[in-house]
Amino acid sequence: NAGVTQTPKFQVLKTGQSMTLQCAQDMNHNSMYWYRQDPGMGLRLIYYSASEGTTDKGEVPNGYNVSRLNKREFSLRLESAAPSQTSVYFCASSASGGIDTQYFGPGTRLTVL
Amino acid sequence: QQQVKQSPQSLIVQKGGISIINCAYENTAFDYFPWYQQFPGKGPALLIAIRPDVSEKKEGRFTISFNKSAKQFSLHIMDSQPGDSATYFCAARTGGFKTIFGAGTRLFVKA
Repeated sequence: NAGVTQTPKFQVLKTGQSMTLQCAQDMNHNSMYWYRQDPGMGLRLIYYSASEGTTDKGEVPNGYNVSRLNKREFSLRLESAAPSQTSVYFCASSASGGIDTQYFGPGTRLTVL
Repeated sequence: QQQVKQSPQSLIVQKGGISIINCAYENTAFDYFPWYQQFPGKGPALLIAIRPDVSEKKEGRFTISFNKSAKQFSLHIMDSQPGDSATYFCAARTGGFKTIFGAGTRLFVKA
């Protein structure tokens, strides 16, 4: 039982390049989330998927797109990376919303030069 | 802008001491207040959580105190240990899917 897995662990991009961050969970959870973590700012929600087939914007969605590929997988795409998107990205999942515990993956450290 | 303000930014405590981290919020619609613990290189993990109809919740050495009228809540770590050295985040949720996190507190427990 791996929980929430993320690939890659590290990535360096040049400004303007695109890439997709992958996330998968094996807990049969309905809801999945993408956060970014920046020093001194805590975690901020980028997008979430309440259930398979739905996605919604969080606090900081600009510059990102997401795909809920199936119940297990939720990907985050940067179409044209900018230095402001240098951050650590965390995927999380929960059984549903409300007070259900969110389980986080190990993160992807992204640097945009 | 919904915000959760967390203090202090960093905290150094002697082994066996009490670590106290404070958070304040504005939005009275928040109805769930979790605390997360994060070790370097790892994702955050839920530590303890409270609903606003309860003034205190204790789990082992970790206690949340909640003051609804002041819109403040705090985490107390009793008998702090070097293994508690981590970053702690308070958070608040309105019952849906959006969680607002505080900026985090780096705790270092000196042996």
